[in-house]
Amino acid sequence: GEDVEQSLFLSVREGDSSVINCTYTDSSSTYLYWYKQEPGAGLQLLTYIFSNMDMKQDQRLTVLLNKKDKHLSLRIADTQTGDSAIYFCAEGMNTGFQKLVFGTGTRLLVSP
Amino acid sequence: SAVISQKPSRDICQRGTSLTIQCQVDSQVTMMFWYRQQPGQSLTLIATANQGSEATYESGFVIDKFPISRPNLTFSTLTVSNMSPEDSSIYLCSVGTREKLFFGSGTQLSVL
Repeated sequence: GEDVEQSLFLSVREGDSSVINCTYTDSSSTYLYWYKQEPGAGLQLLTYIFSNMDMKQDQRLTVLLNKKDKHLSLRIADTQTGDSAIYFCAEGMNTGFQKLVFGTGTRLLVSP
Repeated sequence: SAVISQKPSRDICQRGTSLTIQCQVDSQVTMMFWYRQQPGQSLTLIATANQGSEATYESGFVIDKFPISRPNLTFSTLTVSNMSPEDSSIYLCSVGTREKLFFGSGTQLSVL
């Protein structure tokens, strides 16, 4: 079955870069996503990457995809305290274009 | 991106009662979904809300427990029936395009 795994926790200092990692199992995934969840809020779509791409950059966010190893990462440059949240990666299953399987979530804590 | 309004935003309910959660979208969408996020966990898809036909439920979820309505292309409801403390979760409505999935702010449900 599908399985998406992330490390549970990451702590960085303000101004440093953060790298959040994710591994997935379904090689037929079409899209891979990063969502941000702040306390008491829903999920905000941060960025996504099509499975035939290796990298996507969007302002402070860089997504790297290693399809061979089924590894996805999100790099946040110049991390700010407002970036503190839980970050979920998700894979879009080939059976339906929005049927997403979510990872366990990584809690990012940014200290001043 | 679509604007998704979900209500109530939170509720505290008694065991054995039912709660209906509403989801309103600011534009017509084909695909609407309901997810559950149990405390400290990731998101799990409950069902796909189909306009004009019965919802499609994922494994582990049944219509008697989670009846869903989808009367038109901008609105859906999810009812959590005969609640128990195990139903305490965040319930999220989401809508999708071919590439992206957007979420409402969620309903935080606590069952006593």
